[in-house]
Amino acid sequence: LAKTTQPISMDSYEGQEVNITCSHNNIATNDYITWYQQFPSQGPRFIIQGYKTKVTNEVASLFIPADRKSSTLSLPRVSLSDTAVYYCLVSSGNTGKLIFGQGTTLQVKP
Amino acid sequence: EPEVTQTPSHQVTQMGQEVILRCVPISNHLYFYWYRQILGQKVEFLVSFYNNEISEKSEIFDDQFSVERPDGSNFTLKIRSTKLEDSAMYFCASIGGDGTGRTYEQYFGPGTRLTVT
Repeated sequence: LAKTTQPISMDSYEGQEVNITCSHNNIATNDYITWYQQFPSQGPRFIIQGYKTKVTNEVASLFIPADRKSSTLSLPRVSLSDTAVYYCLVSSGNTGKLIFGQGTTLQVKP
Repeated sequence: EPEVTQTPSHQVTQMGQEVILRCVPISNHLYFYWYRQILGQKVEFLVSFYNNEISEKSEIFDDQFSVERPDGSNFTLKIRSTKLEDSAMYFCASIGGDGTGRTYEQYFGPGTRLTVT
């Protein structure tokens, strides 16, 4: 499984756009990039997944450059409730284990 | 939206005792997982389960751990003789595995906080 590197923490203010970048230099051809969110004392929750280019859903956008060695999770107009830990994961196969890193702790301030 | 449920939400036990953590995965899901998260640390994979057998397990999942799907709806994690270091949040997760939609979206339960004293 490809190793991922992402910032340990980030601060933002309400209403701002937040971009969290993850490096995955050793990503394999079959790997997908998936982001999860975790609030304190809760289980992780799927946010978005992509393979290449751009993916957008009702919660976030995921930008993946052509070389796929990094990806950027974009959260538009964050609110206080977006304060959480965000995990970038790279894995192949749709039924395998998830390997979590330390994630990025996002603190949204008023 | 369907959800994974776990009971109890908090379990306190004495060292050496057996505990069983229970999970009810989403009804049409086929793949089941247990993860744990020690306070302040990252989420760690323990075991995956498919077709009534373990498909993969981590180094953490030693002989003290076992999993079972006794009745087609519940998915349990048993720790035979708990140690202090087993204190953690234990998360159950499931995935449909039907190859459609969000194929990598594992649905996590709310967790069981296990405290070993």
